Amino acid sequence: KAGVTQTPRYLIKTRGQQVTLSCSPISGHRSVSWYQQTPGQGLQFLFEYFSETQRNKGNFPGRFSGRQFSNSRSEMNVSTLELGDSALYLCASSPKPDRGTYEQYFGPGTRLTVT
Amino acid sequence: AQKVTQAQTEISVVEKEDVTLDCVYETRDTTYYLFWYKQPPSGELVFLIRRNSFDEQNEISGRYSWNFQKSTSSFNFTITASQVVDSAVYFCALSVNYGGSQGNLIFGKGTKLSVKP
Repeated sequence: KAGVTQTPRYLIKTRGQQVTLSCSPISGHRSVSWYQQTPGQGLQFLFEYFSETQRNKGNFPGRFSGRQFSNSRSEMNVSTLELGDSALYLCASSPKPDRGTYEQYFGPGTRLTVT
Repeated sequence: AQKVTQAQTEISVVEKEDVTLDCVYETRDTTYYLFWYKQPPSGELVFLIRRNSFDEQNEISGRYSWNFQKSTSSFNFTITASQVVDSAVYFCALSVNYGGSQGNLIFGKGTKLSVKP
């Protein structure tokens, strides 16, 4: 069974640009969550999607948005990039969003560098 | 709000030593789940264990063992006879019934373990 895949793996963007990251969950998984990892703040929750609906959203500005498609694939978008957006963006999938019942499987992440 | 504290930022041991990674959590929920994840240099978070709040039984899996104590709100992880391949950042995480803006998993800051040959 293929794991969670994220594309691209590495990305370099300039301040002010926008970026779209993609996540394909494990086959059969319908819940996708996104996390931002930085050295200073650690792992922080961005959003969670289930059945194309956003269930939860973390404390991030509106520049961060996401969506989920009918095949459970998810994208996140960051507009007007800032230097502080440089981070590893991790996607995780689980069969359902039930708290703790299912462990979340993480992808390898997308390393975003904003210059 | 929920919180996970991993007080040890970095630990360095020599191969074959035993090492314990500490994790203290805070939550007012009576039903919650605790996790440990390993993040090798490749970046991918690898699931190690899940525990629910009603199961305080300790668990052993090969060289790995976990000690869950509700009385001290701790969920510590011990690696016996450490190996170089154990070098990674280890995260403890907490999940409650409704994560809200904190999301599904609330992570600690992680403990970087270096095992030297």
